[in-house]
Amino acid sequence: NAGVTQTPKFRILKIGQSMTLQCAQDMNHNYMYWYRQDPGMGLKLIYYSVGAGITDKGEVPNGYNVSRSTTEDFPLRLELAAPSQTSVYFCASSSPVNRVGETQYFGPGTRLLVL
Amino acid sequence: RKEVEQDPGPFNVPEGATVAFNCTYSNSASQSFFWYRQDCRKEPKLLMSVYSSGNEDGRFTAQLNRASQYISLLIRDSKLSDSATYLCVVNDPGGGADGLTFGKGTHLIIQP
Repeated sequence: NAGVTQTPKFRILKIGQSMTLQCAQDMNHNYMYWYRQDPGMGLKLIYYSVGAGITDKGEVPNGYNVSRSTTEDFPLRLELAAPSQTSVYFCASSSPVNRVGETQYFGPGTRLLVL
Repeated sequence: RKEVEQDPGPFNVPEGATVAFNCTYSNSASQSFFWYRQDCRKEPKLLMSVYSSGNEDGRFTAQLNRASQYISLLIRDSKLSDSATYLCVVNDPGGGADGLTFGKGTHLIIQP
């Protein structure tokens, strides 16, 4: 069981470039999430998905897009990179069964630097 | 937006000591509470869930006070390996998906 995997681990982008951050999980979790974490700050939810074909905005969705064509994969797309998107991006998954707020399992993160 | 507040620290504690930190949350409707641990440049990992009756896992004890809306984490006989950032996490009914709100974390440094 690999858990939640993310690629790449680190990337440098120029302003205006685009890229896709990959996230995959092999735990058959329905719920998946993308967070960003700026230095000294808490995790902020960008987008989430409650199942294949269903996505919704989180707290800070501007500048990002997601898709969820399969249960396993939840890629995050940056269309026009800006310096404000320099951050560490974490993907997570969970499988709420009986109630909300079940444990979220995180990937190792992608460090993105936009210059 | 509902908030989760933590003292950022750092807490500098000698090895073997007991350390405790609290977290307050603003959403009285919250039902699920957790402590996550995050090592430097790593992803958050669940340390323990926090139950209404309080719970213990080895050297770690978590308590919930619903009336005052705070959660505590107590670490006994602290080890060097306990050095990390501890994130208080609360579910936010009405938020996205399972609506977890993360605190900014409390930084703990165990000194030899």
